[in-house]
Amino acid sequence: ETGVTQSPTHLIKTRGQQVTLRCSSQSGHNTVSWYQQALGQGPQFIFQYYREEENGRGNFPPRFSGLQFPNYSSELNVNALELDDSALYLCASSPAGGREKLFFGSGTQLSVL
Amino acid sequence: AQKVTQAQTEISVVEKEDVTLDCVYETRDTTYYLFWYKQPPSGELVFLIRRNSFDEQNEISGRYSWNFQKSTSSFNFTITASQVVDSAVYFCALSVSNFGNEKLTFGTGTRLTIIP
Repeated sequence: ETGVTQSPTHLIKTRGQQVTLRCSSQSGHNTVSWYQQALGQGPQFIFQYYREEENGRGNFPPRFSGLQFPNYSSELNVNALELDDSALYLCASSPAGGREKLFFGSGTQLSVL
Repeated sequence: AQKVTQAQTEISVVEKEDVTLDCVYETRDTTYYLFWYKQPPSGELVFLIRRNSFDEQNEISGRYSWNFQKSTSSFNFTITASQVVDSAVYFCALSVSNFGNEKLTFGTGTRLTIIP
């Protein structure tokens, strides 16, 4: 067990709605990354936060946004949900500016109907 | 752009057999990091190994070993004497970031089933 916790574990939304996913990083970790994993695919990098600032973004539209809080926990927000947003969303944390390996949570399974 | 190819979608072997998972990567960067992660049914990605592009030494950790060959852009993973607990999806990944753990590019994974 990595100490990275995500909530909720499962979520069902309808197209057009908005969703917020949450991640608590492992103690002492100040870097949080978010990945989207579609069924049968590898995870795809969404963005990374370091000390509350976005520190890199993958090829995702602006309706995917995030926050990192002073305690280094993080949120992923997705607006105007589309059917293709159905996926497992994984959060990963790492310590000290990101030089160490990533520790992943078990993810939030989002279904968009 | 970076790319990771795991050509083996699914592999099944009988317990105690050896199995090798293939990984081929593409990048124009001279400094990069390669990873292997294991994803059990619970969903979280479990870190197995990270190697940087300047370290081509093969590595062995218990029943696991990794063969890094820059000449063929491959980073293959071998499990010796497989066990049922090894059943999972295995991902190879590549990072060209400064710190080596940002913006990982993952392959599509290989589902490994160990038959008792």
